[in-house]
Amino acid sequence: KNEVEQSPQNLTAQEGEFITINCSYSVGISALHWLQQHPGGGIVSLFMLSSGKKKHGRLIATINIQEKHSSLHITASHPRDSAVYICAGTGNQFYFGTGTSLTVIP
Amino acid sequence: DTAVSQTPKYLVTQMGNDKSIKCEQNLGHDTMYWYKQDSKKFLKIMFSYNNKELIINETVPNRFSPKSPDKAHLNLHINSLELGDSAVYFCASSRGGWTGELFFGEGSRLTVL
Repeated sequence: KNEVEQSPQNLTAQEGEFITINCSYSVGISALHWLQQHPGGGIVSLFMLSSGKKKHGRLIATINIQEKHSSLHITASHPRDSAVYICAGTGNQFYFGTGTSLTVIP
Repeated sequence: DTAVSQTPKYLVTQMGNDKSIKCEQNLGHDTMYWYKQDSKKFLKIMFSYNNKELIINETVPNRFSPKSPDKAHLNLHINSLELGDSAVYFCASSRGGWTGELFFGEGSRLTVL
């Protein structure tokens, strides 16, 4: 079992929908990263958070340390949001989730 | 200017060869990393290098070795390449260690024939 689990693995949404991707972890971490990878492309860091909530444009990331859970929300989704979203926890190791593949249909 | 740059972007080679991938960052970061992304898109950290401290993922074969001539560079050397080494290798950097925001290179796709 992976130390970091993401759900769902695949997600298809209509343009404009509100999207939530979940990340649960079973190890102690000091920070959690949300990464975005477009098809055939490089990896971009969206958020790095250790507590609370961060917002950047249409993206919101939250983390609950007690419940060992983080969520990435996308408001008013757009086809350009189609990508793989990866959460990763850092503690005494790097723990990567298996990614969520998001497709937003116009 | 590209913040984290890797060369080459594509590398095709035969089994048994030795190859290197170079990485440079111009962000003034103190920590650099190498990650491997397999065919299922799963990421795994291979190495991190911070102020001359090298942290190695114990699952990485010793055919892989990082070389850091200075804080801005972390190169990856691979000896005796195997078919299973085929993957995309990403370099990244951050400020302040593992809890800093990560900046990734574009990736280097290695194909071993």
